[in-house]
Amino acid sequence: DQQVKQNSPSLSVQEGRISILNCDYTNSMFDYFLWYKKYPAEGPTFLISISSIKDKNEDGRFTVFLNKSAKHLSLHIVPSQPGDSAVYFCAASEVLTNSGYALNFGKGTSLLVTP
Amino acid sequence: EADIYQTPRYLVIGTGKKITLECSQTMGHDKMYWYQQDPGMELHLIHYSYGVNSTEKGDLSSESTVSRIRTEHFPLTLESARPSHTSQYLCASRGTGRTYNEQFFGPGTRLTVL
Repeated sequence: DQQVKQNSPSLSVQEGRISILNCDYTNSMFDYFLWYKKYPAEGPTFLISISSIKDKNEDGRFTVFLNKSAKHLSLHIVPSQPGDSAVYFCAASEVLTNSGYALNFGKGTSLLVTP
Repeated sequence: EADIYQTPRYLVIGTGKKITLECSQTMGHDKMYWYQQDPGMELHLIHYSYGVNSTEKGDLSSESTVSRIRTEHFPLTLESARPSHTSQYLCASRGTGRTYNEQFFGPGTRLTVL
């Protein structure tokens, strides 16, 4: 059963406009959320994260918003650039029973930024 | 800057062959992970390790095995490859200190079993 859901498989945005990528989760025990960016034939690279005790984190053009009551987070990219075109994965961290932790990933949203 | 390496990057192999996918990191991270990802799907955790001589299975059942004899090395082995093993395999390690909540990924191995 998938605990992290990205319901939009793809998104197309014009250069300079805002890109909004959404993510929903079902497990209220998730305590940390991350966004990864992935180009074809490469591994995911970390983009930005947010702790469950916060509702916003900003890093340059990237802002992540967390709404715990709705179990929803979103990634805003402003302004969008053609180089932002990639697949974006939402991930949520949970503690494992043997005191470790694991990341649960969504299926990703493919963002295309057009000139 | 994360330094985690995977070889080979691409592998096409016949059914029944034994293969080992290599993963190495130079950051001294104790915690390492193997994920499997198919196109358009989420990353599934198949193995993880908390340090030398520690290995655990992830939430996705896998016929592969792993070993952790050295901190920097976390290879994954398939004793007898099958077409159902065709996928991308991603290795990651978990950061420490300021990057404690992040996982750093290698470039992946794209495996095709004919």
